[in-house]
Amino acid sequence: GESVGLHLPTLSVQEGDNSIINCAYSNSASDYFIWYKQESGKGPQFIIDIRSNMDKRQGQRVTVLLNKTVKHLSLQIAATQPGDSAVYFCAESTSGSRLTFGEGTQLTVNP
Amino acid sequence: GAVVSQHPSWVICKSGTSVKIECRSLDFQATTMFWYRQFPKQSLMLMATSNEGSKATYEQGVEKDKFLINHASLTLSTLTVTSAHPEDSSFYICSAYSGISYNSPLHFGNGTRLTVT
Repeated sequence: GESVGLHLPTLSVQEGDNSIINCAYSNSASDYFIWYKQESGKGPQFIIDIRSNMDKRQGQRVTVLLNKTVKHLSLQIAATQPGDSAVYFCAESTSGSRLTFGEGTQLTVNP
Repeated sequence: GAVVSQHPSWVICKSGTSVKIECRSLDFQATTMFWYRQFPKQSLMLMATSNEGSKATYEQGVEKDKFLINHASLTLSTLTVTSAHPEDSSFYICSAYSGISYNSPLHFGNGTRLTVT
């Protein structure tokens, strides 16, 4: 079936650097994408979303880029902080359907 | 923002007993809630979609008689793990859409850690 996957299972960065977390999806019909952050022992926390009619969306310190041509999604975190250490999941859906989650990337921020 | 509350946050039970997990939307009405299971170092796997006032829709491979779902009101869904066994030990997470459209963020509870001994 269709699935959403991630390029890298782990990412380690220095505090203050920018982080880029990547996600590949295979369902060309997907039209809504979300990034979630999950800290240990907690549920996923919504970070930012983007619809397929956009290719970039910015939030506070975060930017999501969508490349529909190659079915690629990325999350950029500016000035990464220790509190950003967590597992990051991308998720996708087609209008009216349930979310499909990727495998997750463990981000570790070194002080 | 939209808040989803889940209770209990952790539970330990003996093999063969049943455990009920509650999921509440605190500041919005949720006609649809979702139940996920997450094993260590893995992604979230959808178990079932809980619809207010009707039967839940289960994903392939999920036993509906083992994982009983009740969505009696617009703010509460419950998941009961019946006759629990050690292999049911996992992190169970519920979620709900805060908007009326599926193209709106899905908010999650903080999960329930179930350990079956």
